[in-house]
Amino acid sequence: AQTIHQWPVAEIKAVGSPLSLGCTIKGKSSPNLYWYWQATGGTLQQLFYSITVGQVESVVQLNLSASRPKDDQFILSTEKLLLSHSGFYLCAWSLWGASAETLYFGSGTRLTVL
Amino acid sequence: GDSVTQTEGLVTLTEGLPVMLNCTYQSTYSPFLFWYVQHLNEAPKLLLKSFTDNKRPEHQGFHATLHKSSSSFHLQKSSAQLSDSALYYCALSSSGSWQLIFGSGTQLTVMP
Repeated sequence: AQTIHQWPVAEIKAVGSPLSLGCTIKGKSSPNLYWYWQATGGTLQQLFYSITVGQVESVVQLNLSASRPKDDQFILSTEKLLLSHSGFYLCAWSLWGASAETLYFGSGTRLTVL
Repeated sequence: GDSVTQTEGLVTLTEGLPVMLNCTYQSTYSPFLFWYVQHLNEAPKLLLKSFTDNKRPEHQGFHATLHKSSSSFHLQKSSAQLSDSALYYCALSSSGSWQLIFGSGTQLTVMP
């Protein structure tokens, strides 16, 4: 069975500090990977997707970056956090192309920027 | 561009009553529609997705029918249960797209 693990579970960070969030998928080779962001009380906004190692596509610009250093790992980061970065970050994977495929979400990281 | 509209932010009803959550969409190409459910402090999970052959998907008593003529994919259930209380998102993906677009969500609260 496939499992998706996100870390950390929660973070409290200062404005201007760096951030790194991670996601690992086990039990599935070459998954499609995604980062989503959910502001408090807001909808789910897709940030990035990756089809293969080393390739990441940006969907929306939020002064964040993403990388896929290994087949099963997806990293979200920034060098300088803003207050607006607060929210719930979700990693997800899908089996094939995104169009008709189910997304499987991790349990998320809750980020508070002070 | 593609978009999803969920008109109700909050729906409160009594256990046993029927549920209908609205979802309409705009899509440039052939759309795939989904309903995801998110219980408190949990990750979203797929509830239903549309079929290409117009079959009606059903899961846990919920069903939804894709009506291309009215660009709608409303979620329905004949009798609400307390455990149905959750946040429901309608989502859209267009054929060939890598983007899944979510609506603003509808918080369903079922009271005893």
